[in-house]
Amino acid sequence: ETGVTQTPRHLVMGMTNKKSLKCEQHLGHNAMYWYKQSAKKPLELMFVYNFKEQTENNSVPSRFSPECPNSSHLFLHLHTLQPEDSALYLCASSQGNGRARETQYFGPGTRLLVL
Amino acid sequence: AQSVTQPDIHITVSEGASLELRCNYSYGATPYLFWYVQSPGQGLQLLLKYFSGDTLVQGIKGFEAEFKRSQSSFNLRKPSVHWSDAAEYFCAVGAPNDYKLSFGAGTTVTVRA
Repeated sequence: ETGVTQTPRHLVMGMTNKKSLKCEQHLGHNAMYWYKQSAKKPLELMFVYNFKEQTENNSVPSRFSPECPNSSHLFLHLHTLQPEDSALYLCASSQGNGRARETQYFGPGTRLLVL
Repeated sequence: AQSVTQPDIHITVSEGASLELRCNYSYGATPYLFWYVQSPGQGLQLLLKYFSGDTLVQGIKGFEAEFKRSQSSFNLRKPSVHWSDAAEYFCAVGAPNDYKLSFGAGTTVTVRA
């Protein structure tokens, strides 16, 4: 595997379910990000991790819970989601410490549908 | 806080014609500026970026962008579009010493034969 991978690619869940999104980067990077992409809206930064430590939480509801066990893996745990949470969730990584000047490398995303 | 506007939601261009995508930003000083492209079913890929220096920046796939401080703009151009350029294009702005990139809503480019 190369680059940034995300699993699953598609997910349908009910509002009472608990699920997790997984992201893995094979680039040796130190920073990892979660973004939410809704149709025709700007990408919304959710979380930034630098060397496994969270450096940014962009006022994300607690029903989204990130976990970064090491610099290569990032999870997004989902519980009691709302239909408006349906979106494409993108993971990205960068080589440095998560600063804005760094080139970010994106995975293909997980398409989430909340029923 | 910085912000970015992409005024064009959708652009259709003929193959071989030139393409220009607009990006306007709001920030008090010179920001970091980026253009990313997203092909269907894929993540975003960096086309080019500007931090300082020469205001005309060359990127991958034959794209270039010009930073104009007086107009707070960072427009993306390509002289001759290929069918494979059909995608969604995102402009992004970041502030020095910040963690956050602010993205525009994107411009969808359709290429007709």
